[in-house]
Amino acid sequence: KNQVEQSPQSLIILEGKNCTLQCNYTVSPFSNLRWYKQDTGRGPVSLTIMTFSENTKSNGRYTATLDADTKQSSLHITASQLSDSASYICVVIPNTGGFKTIFGAGTRLFVKA
Amino acid sequence: NAGVMQNPRHLVRRRGQEARLRCSPMKGHSHVYWYRQLPEEGLKFMVYLQKENIIDESGMPKERFSAEFPKEGPSILRIQQVVRGDSAAYFCASSPPKAGSQETQYFGPGTRLLVL
Repeated sequence: KNQVEQSPQSLIILEGKNCTLQCNYTVSPFSNLRWYKQDTGRGPVSLTIMTFSENTKSNGRYTATLDADTKQSSLHITASQLSDSASYICVVIPNTGGFKTIFGAGTRLFVKA
Repeated sequence: NAGVMQNPRHLVRRRGQEARLRCSPMKGHSHVYWYRQLPEEGLKFMVYLQKENIIDESGMPKERFSAEFPKEGPSILRIQQVVRGDSAAYFCASSPPKAGSQETQYFGPGTRLLVL
C-alpha cells in the first residue's frame, strides 16, 4: 500500500469551474507536505509547501489544506483555466532526518473549454 | 537565471549499454536530487547529493546505478548494463545551499530513457 494515496485518479471539469483534489497519507511523522503541478513532458513545479503545523496555504487560485489528525490534504483549484490541465502530485517528506521524499501517483486533471 | 538543465532530453540505449544522464543545477544551488518516474507511476526518490558528497542514496538500486556531483561540472547519474526495466523518465531537482527539508526543489525537464 502506497504511503501517499491520491484521488481521484483523473478528473475532467469545465473551464471556470472549481475542483478539489484529495491526498491521504500514512507517513508519520513528517516535516512537510507539498503539492506539485506537472505538465505533460515536463518536471514538477512546486505549488505549496506546508509544515505539519499549518492548516492552509494559498498560491493564487490554488489553496492547499492539511488535517494532520485525519492525515488528509486537499488542493482546491478555483476558476479553472485550460492551462490547469496537468497532473497534480502530493508529496510528503518524512521527519526521519533524511531527504527521502514520498510521492503520490498524482491526479490527472483535464480542463475542457 | 537558467533553470535546472538536464541532458540529453531523450536517450535510447540497447540492453547492456551504459546510460549517462547529466544535470546542471540552478545557479547558486549546491544540492541535487535524482528521481525516477516509471510510466503511469509517481516519482520515486533515488539519491540526494551535495557537492562531492552523497548524502542519501537509499532510493537507488545497489547494483548498476551510481551518481556523482563533482566539484566542477554537472551531476551525473550513471546506469551500467541497462535493462528494459530501466526505461523511465529521470528527473533531477536542485535546491539552495541552506537547504533543509523545507526548501523548495526546482525540477529539470527530465531525461527520457528508452532501453531497446
